[in-house]
Amino acid sequence: AQKVTQAQTEISVVEKEDVTLDCVYETRDTTYYLFWYKQPPSGELVFLIRRNSFDEQNEISGRYSWNFQKSTSSFNFTITASQVVDSAVYFCALSEAKWGYGNKLVFGAGTILRVKS
Amino acid sequence: NAGVTQTPKFRILKIGQSMTLQCAQDMNHNYMYWYRQDPGMGLKLIYYSVGAGITDKGEVPNGYNVSRSTTEDFPLRLELAAPSQTSVYFCASSSPGAGNTIYFGEGSWLTVV
Repeated sequence: AQKVTQAQTEISVVEKEDVTLDCVYETRDTTYYLFWYKQPPSGELVFLIRRNSFDEQNEISGRYSWNFQKSTSSFNFTITASQVVDSAVYFCALSEAKWGYGNKLVFGAGTILRVKS
Repeated sequence: NAGVTQTPKFRILKIGQSMTLQCAQDMNHNYMYWYRQDPGMGLKLIYYSVGAGITDKGEVPNGYNVSRSTTEDFPLRLELAAPSQTSVYFCASSSPGAGNTIYFGEGSWLTVV
């Protein structure tokens, strides 16, 4: 069975600090997809990134970066120079890669990030 | 820029009542999903559909029903509401194909008292 673990329940940082959110996953599939979503206080889910299991290149998008390490089954998310607007719940999710069966996501419990000014 | 639209946004139900959460998407996505999010938890899949007329159970289907008569709409029916169904419900959609991005609606807050 697939499982996603986000061990950090809550993280508090001061503005401009760097912060890394951890994500560890379990799957027996050799092909799978990993996602990060952001849930701001308003409650909607905002897609941040998708990564397939064959692409281990790190990704950088502005202040956001992602480190995918298949050897340790981890897909960690780093925010550089955090800002108050980054305060949100962040979810890591895993999807199997089976055509015709829907892209069903298995979510971690989420990490609450609080950025203080 | 409608995307995935859910109604209602907030609802209070009494125990034993029934209701339908509506979901519509305008992206011509074949795949649609219903998730629930309990406090402090990640989202869990209730039901999903890979096309009109095709639905299947997710991880937590008990107490719910769905139908998919059109590509655009995917309503979720709660029969005999129970306090355990107090949650935030998210509808989502994606295009066919493994690993495609799933887009979520803004959520429906449901309280059963």
